[in-house]
Amino acid sequence: EPEVTQTPSHQVTQMGQEVILRCVPISNHLYFYWYRQILGQKVEFLVSFYNNEISEKSEIFDDQFSVERPDGSNFTLKIRSTKLEDSAMYFCASRPGTGDYSPLHFGNGTRLTVT
Amino acid sequence: KQEVTQIPAALSVPEGENLVLNCSFTDSAIYNLQWFRQDPGKGLTSLLLIQSSQREQTSGRLNASLDKSSGRSTLYIAASQPGDSATYLCDCSNDYKLSFGAGTTVTVRA
Repeated sequence: EPEVTQTPSHQVTQMGQEVILRCVPISNHLYFYWYRQILGQKVEFLVSFYNNEISEKSEIFDDQFSVERPDGSNFTLKIRSTKLEDSAMYFCASRPGTGDYSPLHFGNGTRLTVT
Repeated sequence: KQEVTQIPAALSVPEGENLVLNCSFTDSAIYNLQWFRQDPGKGLTSLLLIQSSQREQTSGRLNASLDKSSGRSTLYIAASQPGDSATYLCDCSNDYKLSFGAGTTVTVRA
């Protein structure tokens, strides 16, 4: 069964550095999402992406964050200048469409540690 | 803004007992509701998706119901097993945004 893949599984970076988290959504899916989960807390929506543009973003997704679909397969999340509080699991997800029957598929996540 | 609440936050039961997990949401204009399982340090695995026009979905020992008018969904797990120990999350889909509850952490004691 096709799946969403994320790389790397774990990234350690120093505060102030830029990081790029990579995701390969399922090939025929049209809607893409990034979520994060700080240790012990709930899964939080960051951004949704459709038709090569951001559809919706949360208040967490400030100017330090950006997303891109540079080619037909990758979907990336960039954090320009990481802060300690950016340490979290970042999950990518995709779905074939919106509407009644459009299940969401998640990747296994990238654990980002900012030191 | 959609608010999703899951009660209880944690649950511990002996093996064989049936589990009842609750999810409530404030905005009934959802496309669907999806239940996920999350194991520690892992991603989210989809268990069941209920379309907005449906009242319930079943898969094996799992049954999920949906009552949009009251803003509630319930996940039933029959005859629980130690392998069912995990955190269970519900997600409500409106337009381009999905809202998760904080989850119910289940421990099934052998």
